[in-house]
Amino acid sequence: SQTIHQWPATLVQPVGSPLSLECTVEGTSNPNLYWYRQAAGRGLQLLFYSVGIGQISSEVPQNLSASRPQDRQFILSSKKLLLSDSGFYLCAWSLGLGNTEAFFGQGTRLTVV
Amino acid sequence: GQQVMQIPQYQHVQEGEDFTTYCNSSTTLSNIQWYKQRPGGHPVFLIQLVKSGEVKKQKRLTFQFGEAKKNSSLHITATQTTDVGTYFCAEFAGNMLTFGGGTRLMVKP
Repeated sequence: SQTIHQWPATLVQPVGSPLSLECTVEGTSNPNLYWYRQAAGRGLQLLFYSVGIGQISSEVPQNLSASRPQDRQFILSSKKLLLSDSGFYLCAWSLGLGNTEAFFGQGTRLTVV
Repeated sequence: GQQVMQIPQYQHVQEGEDFTTYCNSSTTLSNIQWYKQRPGGHPVFLIQLVKSGEVKKQKRLTFQFGEAKKNSSLHITATQTTDVGTYFCAEFAGNMLTFGGGTRLMVKP
């Protein structure tokens, strides 16, 4: 069966520090991968999505970047965090064909102080 | 990406009352998916609708896709405290999964 792992679960980082959040998927090949951000009590904002290794599409310009070095690995990064980067970051995968339901990781709650 | 508007943003109901959340789009939707996010949790897929006028049921939940495929609704009959959470609609198109703003449901026992 397919599983998605996202870590860490919580993170407190100072302003100006770098960020690296990792997401890995098991049990499937060539999934679509997504990074979303959710501010407290708000909706899901699509940040990046990827349909294959090295292919990244950005939806919102910001000081974040994403990379997909392997088929089932998706990384969200920042060189210098801002206070406004605080939020709940969710990684998700879907097959992208036919049955397109998305499966989400447990999320990372990031607080920038 | 296309914007999907969802209303209401919040809804308080007494346990046993019904609840409905609506999603609307200005353009035709390829499909509509519904997710539930419990407080502190991650979104979990509920259902996908693809056909015009489609209606699907899951126990006390009824999902509808409009005839013009520009709107959708989720109706919960006789809410229970376990229904608490935020309900999102979403459209999958062009490899993007775009979510509505969500409706947060609070149920008073």
